[in-house]
Amino acid sequence: GDSVTQMEGPVTLSEEAFLTINCTYTATGYPSLFWYVQYPGEGLQLLLKATKADDKGSNKGFEATYRKETTSFHLEKGSVQVSDSAVYFCALSDYGGSQGNLIFGKGTKLSVKP
Amino acid sequence: DTGVSQDPRHKITKRGQNVTFRCDPISEHNRLYWYRQTLGQGPEFLTYFQNEAQLEKSRLLSDRFSAERPKGSFSTLEIQRTEQGDSAMYLCASSPSGRGTYEQYFGPGTRLTVT
Repeated sequence: GDSVTQMEGPVTLSEEAFLTINCTYTATGYPSLFWYVQYPGEGLQLLLKATKADDKGSNKGFEATYRKETTSFHLEKGSVQVSDSAVYFCALSDYGGSQGNLIFGKGTKLSVKP
Repeated sequence: DTGVSQDPRHKITKRGQNVTFRCDPISEHNRLYWYRQTLGQGPEFLTYFQNEAQLEKSRLLSDRFSAERPKGSFSTLEIQRTEQGDSAMYLCASSPSGRGTYEQYFGPGTRLTVT
């Protein structure tokens, strides 16, 4: 079945460092890809999305490019801030599959130190 | 606030008791989803409604679990004869229909602790 694998954390960075969180997926159809973020004490929020190959999603300085050839959707940010400390989840929705329910990775906890 | 709301936010119950959670989606959203999230894991899909019709159920949803969305608005998730393994965060999400990207908006969750 469909699945998402993302790098295990926790990831600890200094402020202004470059961030990469790897995410790869397995899907039978043509999925849409998402990054969700969960800040401490808050619910899941959509960070960015991409619906087809080579699309780049971006928001709040974060970017991820849908790479069909490598089945990847890595999250990047050029300069992280303390306020980016959160748990990040990569997810897919198989457009041609069930009804669009999301399949999540296990999450990567990011801690940014001042 | 027009986001997804869930009630209660926390529930502690004894093993064997029944519990019921409520989710109020964003008002114009036709689709409603329930997920379960355990510590250190990503959310796992439980069930999905399109208006009042329950269209899909995960194998995770045992016979002790039942979900309803009687008027196509709010939804309830009931767990009967709770077990310690049911301890988790239960998340509700809603989505408009007719969009291909299936963007889902999540509520804050109900944290269940079974003692």
